[in-house]
Formats: sequence, structure tokens, C-alpha cells
Amino acid sequence: EPEVTQTPSHQVTQMGQEVILRCVPISNHLYFYWYRQILGQKVEFLVSFYNNEISEKSEIFDDQFSVERPDGSNFTLKIRSTKLEDSAMYFCASSEGGPHTQYFGPGTRLTVL
Amino acid sequence: AQTVTQSQPEMSVQEAETVTLSCTYDTSESNYYLFWYKQPPSRQMILVIRQEAYKQQNATENRFSVNFQKAAKSFSLKISDSQLGDTAMYFCAFMNLHSGNTPLVFGKGTRLSVIA
Repeated sequence: EPEVTQTPSHQVTQMGQEVILRCVPISNHLYFYWYRQILGQKVEFLVSFYNNEISEKSEIFDDQFSVERPDGSNFTLKIRSTKLEDSAMYFCASSEGGPHTQYFGPGTRLTVL
Repeated sequence: AQTVTQSQPEMSVQEAETVTLSCTYDTSESNYYLFWYKQPPSRQMILVIRQEAYKQQNATENRFSVNFQKAAKSFSLKISDSQLGDTAMYFCAFMNLHSGNTPLVFGKGTRLSVIA
């Protein structure tokens, strides 16, 4: 069964450093998402992406965040200058269409020191 | 804006028993989906069940079923014959079908422990 994959599973970085989180969505899916879950809290939407552009973003997704689909398979989330409060689990998700079930990857745990 | 409320932070159930997790939501939309996702200790988000708001029939997926009350904006999850592997955080989520990409809005979750 096809699944969403994410790398790395755990990333440790120093405050102020740039990180890139990678995702490979399910191959025939067209809509891609990033969500964040701070430890012990609920899952929060960051951004959605379709047809090579952002279609919706939350207040959390400020100028330090960017997303890209650099090739036909990868979908990346870049945080330019990490802050302590960026420490969280980051989930990638994909769906066949907008109003369709979203399937989640296993997540990347980001720790900012 | 839509909100999702899960009023039970923690619940426990004996193995083989039945448990019901509550979820309420607030929306002015009429066309939407509702989901339950499971997050085991590995922290992966796994889809449990989906309900389309236009369907009156409650969704069922093996041991998992929902009680969808549209007028009351209630969407509870029933787990029958609970198994140790059902131990996890359970998140209720709402998807508005207005257009295009539709982000999920999650509740805070209910931590379910299945006891042997």
C-alpha cells in the first residue's frame, strides 16, 4: 500500500540554523500539506500546496517558513532561522484532491537547541 | 472559523470492552467531512474513519463506528472489542469542503489506554 514518507525521522539543530524537512507524498496525489504538533498539544495546520504554489497558509507560517516541490516526487519544508519554539513534530500529508482524505507521513521530530 | 472540541483528555477501557470517545464541533458550513485519526506512541497519524456530512448513515470500519449527529454537531467514535493495540491518542478532525485545498482542524485529542 502506498504511503507518505518523511526524512529525517529526527533532526537536531542549533537555534538560528536553517533546516529542510523532506517528504515524499503518495505518487498520484496532487495536494500536499504540512502540519505541526508541539509536544502535548494538538496538530496545527501550517500550509497547503497545489499546482506548484501555496494555496492556503496559517498564521504560524510566517516569512521564516517556505515550501517547495523541487522535483516530481519531493515536497520540502524549509525553516530559515530556527527558534526554540519551532521544536515540534512536523507532519507531511497528501491527498488525491482538495476535499479528500489526507494521509499522513510518520513525522519528523525537530529539536532546536 | 471552525473549532473542534474533545472534552475527554484521558480515558481507559478494559480489553474486549467497548468505549466511546466524544467530539463536538462548531461550524456554519453545511458541507464537510469529519475524521478520527489515531496516534500511537510512535506518533504516526493513522486514519481510523471518515464521515461525510451529507450522509445520514453512520460510518463503520470493522470494530470502529461513529455516531454522527449533524444537528447537534456531535461526532463520537465507538471502539468495540477493544484491543491493547488500540492504546493511542485519538484526534477528531474537521474538513470544510468549500474549495481547493482544505486544511484539517483538529481537536486536542483523547488519550485512550486499553488495560489487559
